[in-house]
Amino acid sequence: AQTVTQSQPEMSVQEAETVTLSCTYDTSESDYYLFWYKQPPSRQMILVIRQEAYKQQNATENRFSVNFQKAAKSFSLKISDSQLGDAAMYFCAYRSHSGNTPLVFGKGTRLSVIA
Amino acid sequence: ETGVTQTPRHLVMGMTNKKSLKCEQHLGHNAMYWYKQSAKKPLELMFVYNFKEQTENNSVPSRFSPECPNSSHLFLHLHTLQPEDSALYLCASSQAPGQGNYGYTFGSGTRLTVV
Repeated sequence: AQTVTQSQPEMSVQEAETVTLSCTYDTSESDYYLFWYKQPPSRQMILVIRQEAYKQQNATENRFSVNFQKAAKSFSLKISDSQLGDAAMYFCAYRSHSGNTPLVFGKGTRLSVIA
Repeated sequence: ETGVTQTPRHLVMGMTNKKSLKCEQHLGHNAMYWYKQSAKKPLELMFVYNFKEQTENNSVPSRFSPECPNSSHLFLHLHTLQPEDSALYLCASSQAPGQGNYGYTFGSGTRLTVV
């Protein structure tokens, strides 16, 4: 079974600085999808960014980018120019390409942004 | 709004009560999910429905009873709950397996308190 590990329960960053959240996963599959979700205090789980495993190019969405290392099974999220609104729980998630298994989530990293 | 609507937002119920949580999506998705999110615990997948058929029940106690009358609606019927069932209950939807894998779209959740 696939597992997703987020080794940093909590992180903090100064406003306008850059922070990287770590995620590793374990799978025997070669084709899959990886996601980062954000859950602010409003509780809404929001998709931040996704990566298809067959794509070598790292995904980017404005200030959010990933460092996808397939061989190392690592999928870190970099937030540049951090803003107060970035404060939230961040969850890394995995889904197989076949989609026959549900999304597998890590335990989350709580990010605080210091003004 | 993400396209997945959950009602009610908050619910307080006694251990002998019967209540229902509702989830509705108008995204054209064919798979729907119930997750339980407790404090300091990872997201727990409870039930999965694909094309209205339940495809996964993650050893959930029978006091939780799901119902999926069509691909757009999902209910979670609650009866004789325990205080440890107090949590945030999240509904999500996605394309069914084999129809694209772009992650899940979540509702805002129902905060349930059992007294």
